[in-house]
Amino acid sequence: AQSVTQLGSHVSVSEGALVLLRCNYSSSVPPYLFWYVQYPNQGLQLLLKYTSAATLVKGINGFEAEFKKSETSFHLTKPSAHMSDAAEYFCAVRVDTGRRALTFGSGTRLQVQP
Amino acid sequence: EAGVAQSPRYKIIEKRQSVAFWCNPISGHATLYWYQQILGQGPKLLIQFQNNGVVDDSQLPKDRFSAERLKGVDSTLKIQPAKLEDSAVYLCASSLDPGTGGFETQYFGPGTRLLVL
Repeated sequence: AQSVTQLGSHVSVSEGALVLLRCNYSSSVPPYLFWYVQYPNQGLQLLLKYTSAATLVKGINGFEAEFKKSETSFHLTKPSAHMSDAAEYFCAVRVDTGRRALTFGSGTRLQVQP
Repeated sequence: EAGVAQSPRYKIIEKRQSVAFWCNPISGHATLYWYQQILGQGPKLLIQFQNNGVVDDSQLPKDRFSAERLKGVDSTLKIQPAKLEDSAVYLCASSLDPGTGGFETQYFGPGTRLLVL
């Protein structure tokens, strides 16, 4: 079975500072990995996904993530935070056999200070 | 392209009452998922449909939860009777058939926020 751990339930950065949200996964087979963002009272929106092509994945709104197999990590970064980035971010994993539903981490709430 | 539609957006009921949620997936999406998101946690799968058949309902509390997807399009999720711990956001997601050759991304609806008093 696969699982995801997000380190830090709350992260606070200043506007213009680097954003780093951490995600580590556990999977016995090659995983597919995702980052979703959730704004208040809204559903989840896909930021980016890793599907075994390039290990550095670029997503929407200037976010990117790097798949590191040796570290079983898929951390999300953005060079310069914007106030509009304040939201909840979820890392998720899926494998390509049988059950295709996503297994989510517990989420990280990003706060951006002016 | 229209997204995943869900209704109602909010629902408040008393414990032991029943409630139903509706989901209309993106047109052409064969796979439909219901997730439960409890406050402070990530979404957890309740049930997955492929067209109108159930693929995975291993985490659905079948003594009180039921779901159906008639004609392989819309879906309803029902809780009867509701418990306090059912207070959560219920998210519906849909994706293309995995056999279409592309990587099937899941698209989420806005969710139904349920409060059980």
